[in-house]
Amino acid sequence: GAGVSQSPSNKVTEKGKDVELRCDPISGHTALYWYRQSLGQGLEFLIYFQGNSAPDKSGLPSDRFSAERTGGSVSTLTIQRTQQEDSAVYLCASSLGGSLLYEQYFGPGTRLTVT
Amino acid sequence: AQSVTQLDSQVPVFEEAPVELRCNYSSSVSVYLFWYVQYPNQGLQLLLKYLSGSTLVKGINGFEAEFNKSQTSFHLRKPSVHISDTAEYFCAVSPSNTGKLIFGQGTTLQVKP
Repeated sequence: GAGVSQSPSNKVTEKGKDVELRCDPISGHTALYWYRQSLGQGLEFLIYFQGNSAPDKSGLPSDRFSAERTGGSVSTLTIQRTQQEDSAVYLCASSLGGSLLYEQYFGPGTRLTVT
Repeated sequence: AQSVTQLDSQVPVFEEAPVELRCNYSSSVSVYLFWYVQYPNQGLQLLLKYLSGSTLVKGINGFEAEFNKSQTSFHLRKPSVHISDTAEYFCAVSPSNTGKLIFGQGTTLQVKP
């Protein structure tokens, strides 16, 4: 079946602009995660959604970052007033459930470049 | 807070040689440990995981890892590597049973012919 998809695959934006990154998880997966992969910081957890529970936002680096998950499926990560340090590959993953028993499947990522 | 340290940023090795990629973690509570691989231009893929039970965990592609609680380590090993094992390898720990992962900085394994 189809895996996790993310769009766009590449995004170049000017400093100060807002961007939206989209993640389509595997159908039926109730848990969805966002991570960021950058040269300076490695792979960082950003936010986690599980079913109808309140999301775990503990990894969001600032209040310029927000994410939502509509209808328990598609998720959008929004970065407001982008800064150059936001340049990174943003990865989305989904799993059948929120427990560690379930493997996380990662998407190909969105490469964000802030000029 | 939990953290993961991958001691080597790059590991060059010749084909058919054994390899060990080192990972140490810090945690004061129950530990759940993972190794992920990222092949060039591909997404992250789970290699293996330790949740409980036997401390020796076998994964895909001939890799295995051993959980050592006294040394707080979870080193990844393969007895004989192939060119196709060239990739970046990430060790990760989960601070709870929610699936949220804390990753190490990654180790680039470069297999030479």
